[in-house]
Amino acid sequence: NAGVTQTPKFRVLKTGQSMTLLCAQDMNHEYMYWYRQDPGMGLRLIHYSVGEGTTAKGEVPDGYNVSRLKKQNFLLGLESAAPSQTSVYFCASSSTGASTEAFFGQGTRLTVV
Amino acid sequence: GESVGLHLPTLSVQEGDNSIINCAYSNSASDYFIWYKQESGKGPQFIIDIRSNMDKRQGQRVTVLLNKTVKHLSLQIAATQPGDSAVYFCAENISGGYNKLIFGAGTRLAVHP
Repeated sequence: NAGVTQTPKFRVLKTGQSMTLLCAQDMNHEYMYWYRQDPGMGLRLIHYSVGEGTTAKGEVPDGYNVSRLKKQNFLLGLESAAPSQTSVYFCASSSTGASTEAFFGQGTRLTVV
Repeated sequence: GESVGLHLPTLSVQEGDNSIINCAYSNSASDYFIWYKQESGKGPQFIIDIRSNMDKRQGQRVTVLLNKTVKHLSLQIAATQPGDSAVYFCAENISGGYNKLIFGAGTRLAVHP
């Protein structure tokens, strides 16, 4: 059982480049989340999805876009990367809104130079 | 804005002692509170949760206490072991429409032999 898988694990981008982070879960979860984690700070919610075809903004959505075309996948896009987006990105999923146990991926370390 | 915060950024304990990690929250609408453990290089891992209508819940070596009067949450770890060394996050599940998990900044627990 793979759980939540994030691709890639590491990436270095130049300012202005674009990229997409992929999150895949094999637990048939409805809810999926994208968080960023910066040194000395907790996880901040970027965007989330409550089901296939739906997305919603979190705490820090600016500069990011997401898509949930398939239930098992949640994509996070950076259209024009900025150094301020250097961070570790975590994807998570949970079964329903009432479930509090969110399962996290291993993270993607992104550096924007 | 709504936030979840922690009192102590770093906690050092001796192996075998009990650990207490504290957290303050500000959103009265939260229906669940959750503790996560994050080891270096890994994603957060669920430890234990507690509903807002409870004041105590026990797991294996862990106990979570909730004081809604002062909006305070704590995680007690009994007989702390070196494997407990990690960063611990409290999070609140904000219901109403879409559920969101909002995390605090984290407390690093260092267990010394």
